[in-house]
Amino acid sequence: AQSVTQLDSQVPVFEEAPVELRCNYSSPVSVYLFWYVQYPNQGLQLLLKYLSGSTLVKGINGFEAEFNKSQTSFHLRKPSVHISDTAEYFCAGGTYGQNFVFGPGTRLSVLP
Amino acid sequence: ETGVTQSPTHLIKTRGQQVTLRCSSQSGHNTVSWYQQALGQGPQFIFQYYREEENGRGNFPPRFSGLQFPNYSSELNVNALELDDSALYLCASRWTPKDREETQYFGPGTRLLVL
Repeated sequence: AQSVTQLDSQVPVFEEAPVELRCNYSSPVSVYLFWYVQYPNQGLQLLLKYLSGSTLVKGINGFEAEFNKSQTSFHLRKPSVHISDTAEYFCAGGTYGQNFVFGPGTRLSVLP
Repeated sequence: ETGVTQSPTHLIKTRGQQVTLRCSSQSGHNTVSWYQQALGQGPQFIFQYYREEENGRGNFPPRFSGLQFPNYSSELNVNALELDDSALYLCASRWTPKDREETQYFGPGTRLLVL
């Protein structure tokens, strides 16, 4: 069964610094991967997705992620974070016809 | 704004009671999934409905059941509530073609507290 791992439960970073949130997945034949953001007391908002094609995916709010099949990773990056990026970030994935699986989440705290 | 709405936003129940949560999907979305998100955790897949039939289920007991209606609305029913059922319940809808996956769009969730 597909599994998604987010090794960092919390990531503190200073404003305007770069950030990388790590995501690794188990490796079925084909895979779809997503990053979602959840602000306090809200639902999930899609940041970006990899379905096929280019391995570098650009999303909203200046985020991007790179699908790396050999390392089974889909790390999320942003070159310069803002206070408003403080939130919980979830990596998720699945294969066609199977259940969608979320990682445990990474809490990004942007410090002034 | 995802076009997916859920009601109610908050709910308080007591142990042993039954609850029905509702979701309204985007028009044209033939697939709806329900997730349970306990405090401090990622969402856990409960089940999925495709064209009004359940076609996938996670590790949840039968007292979690659902319905999907032709008007793109759906329900999650939980019987015999337990304290551990306290969580944020999320529904997500998408259009599923025959041969590939597509993006899920999430509603804002219903926060259930069981006392």
